[in-house]
Amino acid sequence: DTAVSQTPKYLVTQMGNDKSIKCEQNLGHDTMYWYKQDSKKFLKIMFSYNNKELIINETVPNRFSPKSPDKAHLNLHINSLELGDSAVYFCASSRAIGGTYNEQFFGPGTRLTVL
Amino acid sequence: QKEVEQNSGPLSVPEGAIASLNCTYSDRVSQSFFWYRQYSGKSPELIMSIYSNGDKEDGRFTAQLNKASQYVSLLIRDSQPSDSATYLCAVNTGNQFYFGTGTSLTVIP
Repeated sequence: DTAVSQTPKYLVTQMGNDKSIKCEQNLGHDTMYWYKQDSKKFLKIMFSYNNKELIINETVPNRFSPKSPDKAHLNLHINSLELGDSAVYFCASSRAIGGTYNEQFFGPGTRLTVL
Repeated sequence: QKEVEQNSGPLSVPEGAIASLNCTYSDRVSQSFFWYRQYSGKSPELIMSIYSNGDKEDGRFTAQLNKASQYVSLLIRDSQPSDSATYLCAVNTGNQFYFGTGTSLTVIP
């Protein structure tokens, strides 16, 4: 039973294309996140949704658009892909965003390569 | 100044020794602190969370938090080769989460 799942695991595409990454969690958590981990392994938060509502929207290009159809799903759509978008994208979830219930559990990651 | 700073290492310890990993953070109002382990090519895995000053022990792992010094550490006792990984310190401040760049640990058999 996978707690946080992502598809696809690998994504190779050309510059300028549009792609989506899907994330689902079966933990019953209210909060979901997208992170980007670059080639230097630095993990940076991109977005956070709490009960389908956007909470954190870090300084990312507006080519990146998250969508949360329900609190178990958080998808990431990327328009006009650029070389610099190549990274590993992790989805995560937690029971809440604050207090003592914000332990985050990560999905397996999606390795995006833009050629 | 980075929000969360860690010594990138690499840190090498012999099998059976204690590994000590350190992390400092910049925001005094930070509330929650986490240690994650990440194997190469894998996702971060939560090891410990700590919310109040003092020590928290879980098996071979002990997290230590000192909010006055803005310092959080992770001790791994009886280190095993399987502990070889990158350890990420994470800090929650309000709605924000910040990760350190990680410390690479190698346990030598």
